[in-house]
Amino acid sequence: QQQVKQSPQSLIVQKGGISIINCAYENTAFDYFPWYQQFPGKGPALLIAIRPDVSEKKEGRFTISFNKSAKQFSLHIMDSQPGDSATYFCAASLDSGNTPLVFGKGTRLSVIA
Amino acid sequence: DGGITQSPKYLFRKEGQNVTLSCEQNLNHDAMYWYRQDPGQGLRLIYYSQIVNDFQKGDIAEGYSVSREKKESFPLTVTSAQKNPTAFYLCASTLGQGLAGYTFGSGTRLTVV
Repeated sequence: QQQVKQSPQSLIVQKGGISIINCAYENTAFDYFPWYQQFPGKGPALLIAIRPDVSEKKEGRFTISFNKSAKQFSLHIMDSQPGDSATYFCAASLDSGNTPLVFGKGTRLSVIA
Repeated sequence: DGGITQSPKYLFRKEGQNVTLSCEQNLNHDAMYWYRQDPGQGLRLIYYSQIVNDFQKGDIAEGYSVSREKKESFPLTVTSAQKNPTAFYLCASTLGQGLAGYTFGSGTRLTVV
């Protein structure tokens, strides 16, 4: 119930292409869904977050799509660049983010020229 | 600049030793968290604290201890009871109340020698 399942584990995308990372959850009480980006040897940084009252949120090249009925949400990176190469984590929490985040296992993205 | 400082960046522990990882924040955040990161495992919650002098166990608290005597500080002790302590340890903080995502430190890499 508390798990967040993330796929794929790794992803290779051509420069300029679209990167898509998917997450699924079981606990319908989750109400806050952030995505984090982590570069090697660094802590994760918040990329974008969504709440279940909207189906999509866009910030620059990054878009979250949220499907409440399917209990799934995904991150789309448009026009992927080599600088986007990093590990991406989805997460979820209860009570509008007031409970600890539950993280997916991560996706290692490599954008090649 | 406001942020979270973790120290040391690298730490080596001998078998049977206790070691303490430091986490200090000057963001005036109420809530602080410790996560452990292992390759392919995502981030797993060790302990968290939402107010001073109070903390709760996370999913993998066995072999770890914490204190929260000051709002700014949330040190983590890895005890000799933790059988597999080699990992990357991440400290995070948040304002809480669902107002913002986590701010992470740069992590401490602990290795048992």
